[in-house]
Amino acid sequence: QKEVEQDPGPLSVPEGAIVSLNCTYSNSAFQYFMWYRQYSRKGPELLMYTYSSGNKEDGRFTAQVDKSSKYISLFIRDSQPSDSATYLCAMSALDSSYKLIFGSGTRLLVRP
Amino acid sequence: KAGVTQTPRYLIKTRGQQVTLSCSPISGHRSVSWYQQTPGQGLQFLFEYFSETQRNKGNFPGRFSGRQFSNSRSEMNVSTLELGDSALYLCASRSNTQNTGELFFGEGSRLTVL
Repeated sequence: QKEVEQDPGPLSVPEGAIVSLNCTYSNSAFQYFMWYRQYSRKGPELLMYTYSSGNKEDGRFTAQVDKSSKYISLFIRDSQPSDSATYLCAMSALDSSYKLIFGSGTRLLVRP
Repeated sequence: KAGVTQTPRYLIKTRGQQVTLSCSPISGHRSVSWYQQTPGQGLQFLFEYFSETQRNKGNFPGRFSGRQFSNSRSEMNVSTLELGDSALYLCASRSNTQNTGELFFGEGSRLTVL
């Protein structure tokens, strides 16, 4: 079993929809949680960063971490065709914060 | 502020050859990490350097090596290339003042082994 599980999709939604992306993990030592967006043939771009549990909002994006359930989510409001990309969750522990463990990524397609 | 720069962006090699990839981190960042991305395995940690010292290494064979220079630029080398080494190799840098997981990635070097 992988340390971080993420549904690969693809997830296809109409423009304007609310998108929910999720990851589950098994290592209770994880304290740092990130979401990256990766366009085709590009490097991952950091979208959201959260330390420990709680919510964080940035524009149309909201990240949630539930450490008791070992579950993290990324919500995208008013989705746009330009949001079409692969979304990767990543996490790391306090004593090895430089070593990110990634989910496999979810492909998102926002239809105009 | 310039981002993480990786060269070359694309390269093709044959089995048995070796390859060297280069990474220039964000100015002021002293930590550089390398990741391998493949369709089957996703993103996997290779190694991390800080102040010219390798601090940790992932689960890769000894054919994969790296180094960091005094200006924080880093190189990774893969010797005796195998078909399975075909991948996108990503470099990421992190501020030395952070003790967090915020890594900033470059565009990657796409290696094809024939």
